[in-house]
Amino acid sequence: KAGVTQTPRYLIKTRGQQVTLSCSPISGHRSVSWYQQTPGQGLQFLFEYFSETQRNKGNFPGRFSGRQFSNSRSEMNVSTLELGDSALYLCASSSGSTTDTQYFGPGTRLTVL
Amino acid sequence: QKEVEQDPGPLSVPEGAIVSLNCTYSNSAFQYFMWYRQYSRKGPELLMYTYSSGNKEDGRFTAQVDKSSKYISLFIRDSQPSDSATYLCAVLKEGAQKLVFGQGTRLTINP
Repeated sequence: KAGVTQTPRYLIKTRGQQVTLSCSPISGHRSVSWYQQTPGQGLQFLFEYFSETQRNKGNFPGRFSGRQFSNSRSEMNVSTLELGDSALYLCASSSGSTTDTQYFGPGTRLTVL
Repeated sequence: QKEVEQDPGPLSVPEGAIVSLNCTYSNSAFQYFMWYRQYSRKGPELLMYTYSSGNKEDGRFTAQVDKSSKYISLFIRDSQPSDSATYLCAVLKEGAQKLVFGQGTRLTINP
């Protein structure tokens, strides 16, 4: 069974630009969650999508948005990039049940210059 | 105050030692407790998942949860150099998919 895939793996952008990251979950999984990992703040929850609907949301500004497609693939968008958005962005997929394991992808390393 | 507190280390021990990693959490609504391991340049991978107070063992790994003191632990027996990684505790509320992570402890096992 293929794992969670994320593209691109590395990205360099400049302040003010926008970026779109992609996540393909494990086949059959309907829930995709996004997390931001930085050395200072650690791993923080951004949002979760289940069956194309945002089901949970973390405490991030509106510049961070996402969506999920009918095949469960998900995209995350960050507009008007700031230096502080430099981070490893991880997505995790699961069946959607609380007791089910969340499987993480390798992440997308975003650098904002 | 963070919802989950974890000493970031770094922690360095000799091969074969018993390693103890710990976290505390503040909200009694957290009902599910996990330990993830993260190697450099990789995503976190689940090591242990427990639902209740007590011990859960899997090979050289033992997860311990004490809900009365809001304390979770991971023990690694006979530690190996391949165990060198960052270990993250995570907690979850019933009905939620939002994992709340500790800061992560960077562990090095020296041959």
